[in-house]
Amino acid sequence: AQSVTQPDIHITVSEGASLELRCNYSYGATPYLFWYVQSPGQGLQLLLKYFSGDTLVQGIKGFEAEFKRSQSSFNLRKPSVHWSDAAEYFCAVGPLGAGNNRKLIWGLGTSLAVNP
Amino acid sequence: EAGVTQFPSHSVIEKGQTVTLRCDPISGHDNLYWYRRVMGKEIKFLLHFVKESKQDESGMPNNRFLAERTGGTYSTLKVQPAELEDSGVYFCASSQEGFPTDTQYFGPGTRLTVL
Repeated sequence: AQSVTQPDIHITVSEGASLELRCNYSYGATPYLFWYVQSPGQGLQLLLKYFSGDTLVQGIKGFEAEFKRSQSSFNLRKPSVHWSDAAEYFCAVGPLGAGNNRKLIWGLGTSLAVNP
Repeated sequence: EAGVTQFPSHSVIEKGQTVTLRCDPISGHDNLYWYRRVMGKEIKFLLHFVKESKQDESGMPNNRFLAERTGGTYSTLKVQPAELEDSGVYFCASSQEGFPTDTQYFGPGTRLTVL
């Protein structure tokens, strides 16, 4: 069955510290992969996406993610966290290519708190 | 360019009442999606429109939910009658047609509370 696992429900880091949010997926074919962020009171904003090519993907707000096929992972990283990064982060996967099936499958989300 | 908008942002209704949620996609986006997040659970797909046609409604929970997209522009999601388990955040997303790997852009969501 297709699924996305975000093992960490809640993470707290200090401002300036590095961050890694984990995402593992189970998918029958090569997926395309996304990270979205939801800040308090806001909608879901796309941070970055992976379709093909370079497995290290750069996104907005200084985030990057690395696709590791052998580990079925797509972990999100940031070298130095800012207080404004406190939000909920969602990993999602979808089918690669055109077709009728376009729905995204989501992880539970990871809530990030940042200590000053 | 305006993003995806949703109305209302919050709705509190009593069990058995009817509620209609509205989504305005990004102009020019033929694909429109509805998702729902129940508290403590993952975001789940409800359905997908291409223009005014329902492409995939496999995620609709039951026949109390009715989605429409007349004219291929905005969409409404009606819940009638609402039950307690319908509470959650309803997200709408849109994407352009024709891309092999489309990116979905999301609205702020409508938080529905059924009492």
